[in-house]
Amino acid sequence: KAGVTQTPRYLIKTRGQQVTLSCSPISGHRSVSWYQQTPGQGLQFLFEYFSETQRNKGNFPGRFSGRQFSNSRSEMNVSTLELGDSALYLCASSLEGWTEEFGPGTRLTVT
Amino acid sequence: DQQVKQNSPSLSVQEGRISILNCDYTNSMFDYFLWYKKYPAEGPTFLISISSIKDKNEDGRFTVFLNKSAKHLSLHIVPSQPGDSAVYFCAASKVGTASKLTFGTGTRLQVTL
Repeated sequence: KAGVTQTPRYLIKTRGQQVTLSCSPISGHRSVSWYQQTPGQGLQFLFEYFSETQRNKGNFPGRFSGRQFSNSRSEMNVSTLELGDSALYLCASSLEGWTEEFGPGTRLTVT
Repeated sequence: DQQVKQNSPSLSVQEGRISILNCDYTNSMFDYFLWYKKYPAEGPTFLISISSIKDKNEDGRFTVFLNKSAKHLSLHIVPSQPGDSAVYFCAASKVGTASKLTFGTGTRLQVTL
């Protein structure tokens, strides 16, 4: 089966800009979760979408937002980028319950 | 506040021996625990999980043990193989929020020949 795909894989942005990352879950999976991985904080939960609705949310500022489309694909957006937003952003997909499979991630560098 | 802790940042084990990776948690609301393996430039790969109603779960070379009273879990890999060299994360979730995982900081396992 095709796994979780994330685009783009690498991205360089400037402080103050905004960025949109995309995630396509495994076919049939309705839940998409987003995580941020940084050397200092490790893997931290951003939010989860299920059937186009945000079901869970982590402790990130409002600059981080997301959405899910009817085909379960999800996007996350970060506005007014800060240097500290440089991280690996991981998307994970599941049928309903606990996270089953992660994508390869998008490496975001903010300069 | 680190609710899931992996106190050993790294571990080196000889091929064929047992690898034991440890994880402690502080939140008694966690009821489901998972272990993931991660290679550089890839997303984490699910290895094995355990529900809080069990104290042991096995899958091939991997066994996870849960000690609820001590809020401690461990992953045993027997026998260890060079391909097991990776960063291992433990994660936990609470009732009703299965997809919201709280991760530990990871342990880098190196299996030497």
